[in-house]
Amino acid sequence: AQSVTQPDIHITVSEGASLELRCNYSYGATPYLFWYVQSPGQGLQLLLKYFSGDTLVQGIKGFEAEFKRSQSSFNLRKPSVHWSDAAEYFCAVPNAGNNRKLIWGLGTSLAVNP
Amino acid sequence: DVKVTQSSRYLVKRTGEKVFLECVQDMDHENMFWYRQDPGLGLRLIYFSYDVKMKEKGDIPEGYSVSREKKERFSLILESASTNQTSMYLCASSFGLAHTSDTQYFGPGTRLTVL
Repeated sequence: AQSVTQPDIHITVSEGASLELRCNYSYGATPYLFWYVQSPGQGLQLLLKYFSGDTLVQGIKGFEAEFKRSQSSFNLRKPSVHWSDAAEYFCAVPNAGNNRKLIWGLGTSLAVNP
Repeated sequence: DVKVTQSSRYLVKRTGEKVFLECVQDMDHENMFWYRQDPGLGLRLIYFSYDVKMKEKGDIPEGYSVSREKKERFSLILESASTNQTSMYLCASSFGLAHTSDTQYFGPGTRLTVL
């Protein structure tokens, strides 16, 4: 069955440190890939998406992600984390059976120490 | 900017009540979605709609129904609320390009408590 795996349920980093959140997926072809962020008590906001072309994608708030086909990964990175980045992060890929729908990872909760 | 609004941020209902959650989007999107979000379970799709009066069941439709009479509005209905439906409910919409997946835009969510 199709799946999206975010191996880290919870991550804590210090402010100013670099960040990498992992996402692995299973999909038959080159997928579209999404990263969303959810601040406490809020809905989800798109951080970035990969559709085709350059495998390094730039997003909002200084985030970037790299699509690696050989590893079926789409890891999210930020060189220097800010306290306001504390949030829940979700990776998603289209449902191969009906690509109007997305298949979601369970999310990674990020805490930022001052 | 796309705006997706949900009728309530917080809602408290009694077991057995009929509950309506309303969602409105202002960008003429074809697709609209209802999810529930619970700790440790991520986002689970309840229903989605790809056109007016058209709907499809998601992963957890039991105990829920939906209505889409107008393109901009998608309602989630709990016919007889139960305590296990206490959750955060998120509405989303997307443009609806054929044979492709498009960005979903989310509302702020409704936190429903059923007592």
